[in-house]
Amino acid sequence: QSDLTQPASVSGSPGQSITISCTGSNNDIGTYNYVSWYQQHPGKAPKLIIYEVSNRPSGVSSRFSGSKSGNTASLTISGLQADDESHYYCGSYAAGSPLHVVFGGGTKLTVL
Amino acid sequence: DVQLLESGGDLVQPGGSLRLSCAASGFTFDNYALSWVRQAPGKGLEWVAAIDAAGITTYYGSSVEGRFTISRDNFKNMLYLEVDSLRADDTALYYCAKGKRVLKVFPFDSWGQGTLVTVSS
Repeated sequence: QSDLTQPASVSGSPGQSITISCTGSNNDIGTYNYVSWYQQHPGKAPKLIIYEVSNRPSGVSSRFSGSKSGNTASLTISGLQADDESHYYCGSYAAGSPLHVVFGGGTKLTVL
Repeated sequence: DVQLLESGGDLVQPGGSLRLSCAASGFTFDNYALSWVRQAPGKGLEWVAAIDAAGITTYYGSSVEGRFTISRDNFKNMLYLEVDSLRADDTALYYCAKGKRVLKVFPFDSWGQGTLVTVSS
């Protein structure tokens, strides 16, 4: 069982938009603006696509966006493309001493 | 370009030990905190441990505290993870990951390709 809760799977057709939720608590997402999202293709290392809730690293498509409300963060992918089919993980700092990091269980995105 | 190259993974019996290594290049090594993150076969990501840029302060996930030890050598640009008292549920691909901002553990902006630890008799 993961500390952050994500849907196991989502799907969408090419060109559509989808949103993946990541629900935590007052101890992590609700306290810190350090939510990040990672894309992981099969057999590959995770890739940072969103950091600090809504920032995109250089080179990441503007079709990826992030937001947060209360204890829930969201990743939206617009204009779905075949290559977006992948696993997506959210992560956050978690409150308490000492510092620790928590991840969601991951969401498999299928592009129909 | 940032490069992180893990090594040291192996098949080991329950109760055994290993030393994982991560060779880093392409950035000012002693400016950045580093972490180990693992992924069991077919499962999600689990943060294991982190160490600050100076190598003074360490942090551990609850499932490994007391059994794993993270360390670094800022002269050799190397990160290490000593894994002891291994259990079957420690079986995973172990990634080395770099903090994005100077002196911040999280988020992770660069990852290695991982080294596989398999615990089985």
